[in-house]
Amino acid sequence: ETGVTQTPRHLVMGMTNKKSLKCEQHLGHNAMYWYKQSAKKPLELMFVYSLEERVENNSVPSRFSPECPNSSHLFLHLHTLQPEDSALYLCASSQPGQGTDEQYFGPGTRLTVT
Amino acid sequence: TQLLEQSPQFLSIQEGENLTVYCNSSSVFSSLQWYRQEPGEGPVLLVTVVTGGEVKKLKRLTFQFGDARKDSSLHITAAQPGDTGLYLCAGEPPNDYKLSFGAGTTVTVRA
Repeated sequence: ETGVTQTPRHLVMGMTNKKSLKCEQHLGHNAMYWYKQSAKKPLELMFVYSLEERVENNSVPSRFSPECPNSSHLFLHLHTLQPEDSALYLCASSQPGQGTDEQYFGPGTRLTVT
Repeated sequence: TQLLEQSPQFLSIQEGENLTVYCNSSSVFSSLQWYRQEPGEGPVLLVTVVTGGEVKKLKRLTFQFGDARKDSSLHITAAQPGDTGLYLCAGEPPNDYKLSFGAGTTVTVRA
């Protein structure tokens, strides 16, 4: 399999549930990202991992918890979410330090919080 | 975070017509990328421009980076329904690999 994959593609969860989003990249990149995409708003960078170390946490509420067990996998653990957290969650990877930082995105997980 | 403004927000044209999408900022970027996103999918990288004044062509798509590296444009010639999608620009600030994204332009090409 090539590129960046994300599972599940769709998720509906209640505010009291706990769920996890998974991302896997097959590009040999050493940086991975979580973004939130809401309608009519720019992509919001949530977390950045470089060489499995978290290097960025853009004031994201603690109900979102990332995990990067190795350079190919990234998780986003979700608990006690709010309806306004409903959005498309995108994972991306890149190889910084090679000139320009071109990011490659997965297809996203469409999350609905009820 | 450097702000990138895209215009127009929405664009609907007939097949065969030309269109231009703009991406503007008051900040300088070391590179700028254009992505296209189709419904239900993630953004797909189209092109990266690096040098001020650079022009790149990808079939019927022409991308230009402003001389001052603060703005960019995407021109599509003889648009086709397959060009329909959300076009996003993203700027890479100097000395920082984190991209700043615009809100996007939704392009609809009617057959």
